[in-house]
Amino acid sequence: DQQVKQNSPSLSVQEGRISILNCDYTNSMFDYFLWYKKYPAEGPTFLISISSIKDKNEDGRFTVFLNKSAKHLSLHIVPSQPGDSAVYFCAAHAFSGSARQLTFGSGTQLTVLP
Amino acid sequence: EPEVTQTPSHQVTQMGQEVILRCVPISNHLYFYWYRQILGQKVEFLVSFYNNEISEKSEIFDDQFSVERPDGSNFTLKIRSTKLEDSAMYFCASSEGTGGRTDTQYFGPGTRLTVL
Repeated sequence: DQQVKQNSPSLSVQEGRISILNCDYTNSMFDYFLWYKKYPAEGPTFLISISSIKDKNEDGRFTVFLNKSAKHLSLHIVPSQPGDSAVYFCAAHAFSGSARQLTFGSGTQLTVLP
Repeated sequence: EPEVTQTPSHQVTQMGQEVILRCVPISNHLYFYWYRQILGQKVEFLVSFYNNEISEKSEIFDDQFSVERPDGSNFTLKIRSTKLEDSAMYFCASSEGTGGRTDTQYFGPGTRLTVL
């Protein structure tokens, strides 16, 4: 089951630079996409989301881009800060009545170097 | 800011024993969920719950699992007879349920279940 894929298990970025985390999906029924951040021994924390009717959503330092034709989304963090160091999960769901299960990617460990 | 809470943070049990994991969802949320993450693997959906009944469940959620909303605030996951492979982090989540296609799920801190 690889409906949501994060092909980079890790990413290191210098403080102040841009972090770009990528996610690919295969299920064309997915219509809502979310990014979560997770610190060790904590639960996933919601960061930002995007509906399939949009191609960009911005919230402060975080921007998510969606390319539906390529079934690809990315999360941009700029400027990156050491506190951003965490595992980032891409998740998606296909709305169908009461069905709301999220399908997660495997995560990307972001390390922001001071 | 309202948050989902879970107890206990860590539960150790013997194989074959019953465990109950507890969650307090965000108070005005209508949908509740359980997910789990086995060490080194993806976060996996177990079950969703709405209007006092299961709305969706995965293949993982077999007869050994059950969920309940025993009162107006708690949401529980029961594993009837634990197996070694049930060892995982269990996350509770909740969502408003009013956003339709854009209903965001908020997660609790998790309960680490260790089955010996």
